Amino acid sequence: QSVLTQPPSVSGTPGQRVTISCSGSNSNIGGNTMNWYQQVPGTAPKLLIYSNNERPSGVPDRFSGSKSGTSASLAISGLQSEDEADYYCASWDDSLNGYVFGGGTKLTVL
Amino acid sequence: QVQLQESGPGLVKPSETLSLTCGISNDSIRNGHYWGWIRQAPGKGLEWIGSIHHDGITNYNPSLKSRVAISIDTSQIQFSLKVRSVTAADTAVYYCAREGLGVPSEWGRGAQVTVAS
Repeated sequence: QSVLTQPPSVSGTPGQRVTISCSGSNSNIGGNTMNWYQQVPGTAPKLLIYSNNERPSGVPDRFSGSKSGTSASLAISGLQSEDEADYYCASWDDSLNGYVFGGGTKLTVL
Repeated sequence: QVQLQESGPGLVKPSETLSLTCGISNDSIRNGHYWGWIRQAPGKGLEWIGSIHHDGITNYNPSLKSRVAISIDTSQIQFSLKVRSVTAADTAVYYCAREGLGVPSEWGRGAQVTVAS
């Protein structure tokens, strides 16, 4: 059971916009910044979004993040086949004094 | 561009100690970042293990804290992970990472560790 809750799967067609939700509590999302990772099976996770809505260099602006209260979302617009991957939300948790991940969401591009 | 490389035994016997090292290229361990470990059990999600700052400050996952130790090598170009008293539940891909933006931002390619007799 993960501290942060994500839907197990989402799907979309090429060109579509999809969102992935992440819910937590005041000790993590509510009091700290939200981060998102993309993991293509068999490879290491890649930081996609940090500090709620910042993109590291090289991440396309099709990816965007938002946060409100104890929930956050990752939006992917102009969906492409190469976006098919697992996506994880992550945040610092003040109660656990550690970094916590969501259970992951598998994105399927139909 | 920083590069990280995990190394260590791929097979560890139950009850023994798992030891991994993360080699750092194109950065200094003294650059002010935290350096950490994350693992992923087969078919499962990511689990943060802990991290260390060059001044020795460590943070650990409370669920693993009693069995885990992260340290910086005297060479200052690598850091290490030890997990004591391992069981099959510790079988995972272990990643090292630099917390470059306040979060694990650059990751190694991962090292598969299997706990079995």
